[in-house]
Amino acid sequence: EADIYQTPRYLVIGTGKKITLECSQTMGHDKMYWYQQDPGMELHLIHYSYGVNSTEKGDLSSESTVSRIRTEHFPLTLESARPSHTSQYLCASSDKDGGAQSRETQYFGPGTRLLVL
Amino acid sequence: KNQVEQSPQSLIILEGKNCTLQCNYTVSPFSNLRWYKQDTGRGPVSLTIMTFSENTKSNGRYTATLDADTKQSSLHITASQLSDSASYICVVSDRGSTLGRLYFGRGTQLTVWP
Repeated sequence: EADIYQTPRYLVIGTGKKITLECSQTMGHDKMYWYQQDPGMELHLIHYSYGVNSTEKGDLSSESTVSRIRTEHFPLTLESARPSHTSQYLCASSDKDGGAQSRETQYFGPGTRLLVL
Repeated sequence: KNQVEQSPQSLIILEGKNCTLQCNYTVSPFSNLRWYKQDTGRGPVSLTIMTFSENTKSNGRYTATLDADTKQSSLHITASQLSDSASYICVVSDRGSTLGRLYFGRGTQLTVWP
């Protein structure tokens, strides 16, 4: 069982509101990720971090921002939510399995389901 | 273009039966291939991981195979249980960057009926 947590699990908000999705892990992993997943579709990487003070944009263009002030914490913020942001957001962290980068495994949190009205 | 295609898109089987899920990929250069299980409303959980030199990997009733020449993988589930109902996602990693870019399939939605 992975020790990676996301809050809230479900969120319904109105257009224009600022929201922050929380993600924390207690495994001491340096790498953390945010994915967006729509029903029946593949996961899309929107942000990632190699460690403290490191953040990068992923493949899918996103109006969200992230920060990495502490190793265990990787929050995602939407300054002004819109209905197009309705989706499931998955946070993940990774470590090297057996010391080999080729076997690196990502551990996922339970996700946050966001509905913007 | 690096892609991961899974089939079938959905599958319904009776409890106790076996099934096989397919994954074809075009990711290059290849690093490894993972199968994840994602329960409804949850994050994906890793089932197996295989590198270029591994042809088969088992995890309980789950057996994954990899043919790196034809770029195909399969996940075989033996003696299915109701708890196997989930989406099974094939994920392929390349060696093109330090990050180890992951390419996700859309998943096969498996439903096991009693």
